Amino acid sequence: DTAVSQTPKYLVTQMGNDKSIKCEQNLGHDTMYWYKQDSKKFLKIMFSYNNKELIINETVPNRFSPKSPDKAHLNLHINSLELGDSAVYFCASSLRGLAPSDTQYFGPGTRLTVL
Amino acid sequence: AQKVTQAQTEISVVEKEDVTLDCVYETRDTTYYLFWYKQPPSGELVFLIRRNSFDEQNEISGRYSWNFQKSTSSFNFTITASQVVDSAVYFCALRAPNFGNEKLTFGTGTRLTIIP
Repeated sequence: DTAVSQTPKYLVTQMGNDKSIKCEQNLGHDTMYWYKQDSKKFLKIMFSYNNKELIINETVPNRFSPKSPDKAHLNLHINSLELGDSAVYFCASSLRGLAPSDTQYFGPGTRLTVL
Repeated sequence: AQKVTQAQTEISVVEKEDVTLDCVYETRDTTYYLFWYKQPPSGELVFLIRRNSFDEQNEISGRYSWNFQKSTSSFNFTITASQVVDSAVYFCALRAPNFGNEKLTFGTGTRLTIIP
């Protein structure tokens, strides 16, 4: 069984649309994350949730809104999509999250293309 | 502030050669953790290793080995007898305590190509 899963794997949409990416982990972890990987492969954290509570919120446009219905799920909703939002979005999870020793395990990524 | 530098953007070697990927980090913390991840052409990010700042022993796992040197703030990764399946982008990352805001800081990655 996949430990961290994301849907969809590919998402192609028009500028101005609203879209969501879903993430689920079956590892029993407390903390989940969203990362953005740009075209140059640079990885940067966007958000982190610990037990459904937002703990990291980087400088991300407020068009991006994460939602954690329970600690096994973390969804990312993006409003009014722009060309610059095209990237690969990775979900990750870790056991406790607030300990720097925790290893983060990543999902397969969602490649978002905005036309 | 934390920073991870992977100065080698791309490396190509012929299969069966050994190759070392460099990672240099910066942090003011005395306790911190270093990680390596592999991103094969299929795109997923695969965890390879975690090392804490108090353990400077080298680690070996099969053809992979890691050399951690606090004196030079480096955590280098060596692949021995490289294989085509080792072709991937490799990321080094750092995480240190920050009062509940412990972010994983990634380097820019090294693209490794193994030529058959």
